[in-house]
Amino acid sequence: AQKITQTQPGMFVQEKEAVTLDCTYDTSDPSYGLFWYKQPSSGEMIFLIYQGSYDQQNATEGRYSLNFQKARKSANLVISASQLGDSAMYFCAMREITYTGGFKTIFGAGTRLFVKA
Amino acid sequence: KAGVTQTPRYLIKTRGQQVTLSCSPISGHRSVSWYQQTPGQGLQFLFEYFSETQRNKGNFPGRFSGRQFSNSRSEMNVSTLELGDSALYLCASSLSRANTGELFFGEGSRLTVL
Repeated sequence: AQKITQTQPGMFVQEKEAVTLDCTYDTSDPSYGLFWYKQPSSGEMIFLIYQGSYDQQNATEGRYSLNFQKARKSANLVISASQLGDSAMYFCAMREITYTGGFKTIFGAGTRLFVKA
Repeated sequence: KAGVTQTPRYLIKTRGQQVTLSCSPISGHRSVSWYQQTPGQGLQFLFEYFSETQRNKGNFPGRFSGRQFSNSRSEMNVSTLELGDSALYLCASSLSRANTGELFFGEGSRLTVL
């Protein structure tokens, strides 16, 4: 069964430093997409970055990069130069096609990031 | 471009009642999915709709149902509410039905069951 694991319930980082949020996944499907979403205290979910299972290079979006290690089934999010506004809950997610032909995105339990001034 | 709109934002119901939540996706998005978010269970997938058809369903009892209309708007219904149904219900739309399709979320409907 598909599964996403985020082992860090909470993380602290000093402002302007880099932080890595861990994510491992499990799937038997060769085709899948990996995503990171941010959920501030206001509640809305914000898409950050995407990595396809066949992509050879790690995805980057501004201060966000995804460290994709396919053999280890790992998709860690790296935030460079942390800002106070980065304090939020971060979710790793995987999207894949199901046997019914539909698509399903499953989420990890999340990591709460606290950025200290 | 308007985002995903969910109504109502907040509602309070009592056990045994039913509730209907509405979601209007981003214009042009035909894929709509629903999630239940609780502190204990995290984000749990409820259903996915595309072209008025339910394409996928999560592991929830039959009390949870949904539908999608020809304009891609979607509704979900929970009947015979239980205390454990208290949660934030998130709707998301997607332009692509491929694995590349990121989800665009609404602000959610927070349901409290007393």
